[in-house]
Amino acid sequence: NAGVTQTPKFQVLKTGQSMTLQCAQDMNHEYMSWYRQDPGMGLRLIHYSVGAGITDQGEVPNGYNVSRSTTEDFPLRLLSAAPSQTSVYFCASSYDLGGFNEQYFGPGTRLTVT
Amino acid sequence: KNEVEQSPQNLTAQEGEFITINCSYSVGISALHWLQQHPGGGIVSLFMLSSGKKKHGRLIATINIQEKHSSLHITASHPRDSAVYICAVRSSSSGSARQLTFGSGTQLTVLP
Repeated sequence: NAGVTQTPKFQVLKTGQSMTLQCAQDMNHEYMSWYRQDPGMGLRLIHYSVGAGITDQGEVPNGYNVSRSTTEDFPLRLLSAAPSQTSVYFCASSYDLGGFNEQYFGPGTRLTVT
Repeated sequence: KNEVEQSPQNLTAQEGEFITINCSYSVGISALHWLQQHPGGGIVSLFMLSSGKKKHGRLIATINIQEKHSSLHITASHPRDSAVYICAVRSSSSGSARQLTFGSGTQLTVLP
C-alpha cells in the first residue's frame, strides 16, 4: 500500500492564483482531513470528510474548498491564494471517527504565496 | 489558553539520557495521541491511549485521566530520536468528537 499520498511536495503561487492540492489514500479509510501547520502553532484542521459525498468545515476553513467524490481522493482547493495561506499542508486519513483509530499522514505540501 | 499544552517546547539531551515530554489538556477526551514529526516533515503515529500506560521499544507513554496529563518517555535516547513530538487529543464531547486538537510540539535534539 502507498498509504496517504500528496502532490505536489512544493508549490509557489502568486497572490490571487488558484490551485488544487491533491490527496489520495489506498487504505479504504472513510475519514480524511486537511491540516495546515504554521511555525509555533499546532496542526489546525481546515476541512474534513466522513465519507464520499460528505464534507465539513474545521477550525480554519476560510479560503479553502474541498470535495469528496470517491473514498480515495480528497482534494483541497485554494480559490484565490493569499500570503496568509503560506504554510505546510498535511492530508490525513483514518478508518473511522473513533478516537482510538490511528491517523495516517501524507508527506505534506509546502506552499508559498508571494 | 490552548486546549493542549506541551512542555518543554525545546529539549536538548545527550545520547543515553532519559527524556520526558509532557502534555496537559483542558477538555474531557476519548483518546490521546502521540505523534512524531521527522526532520524531513513526515508525521507518524507513535501511540494512542485512553488510560494507563503503553510501551513500544524505548518509548513509553502514560496518561492520567483525572489530572488531564500525559507523558512521553524515551529511555536510552539516541540521535535518531531527534524530531518534533506532538500530543493530540480527541474531545469526548459530541460536537467536536471528529476533530483532533494538537499541541504545538516539542523539538527534541539528542546530541551524540
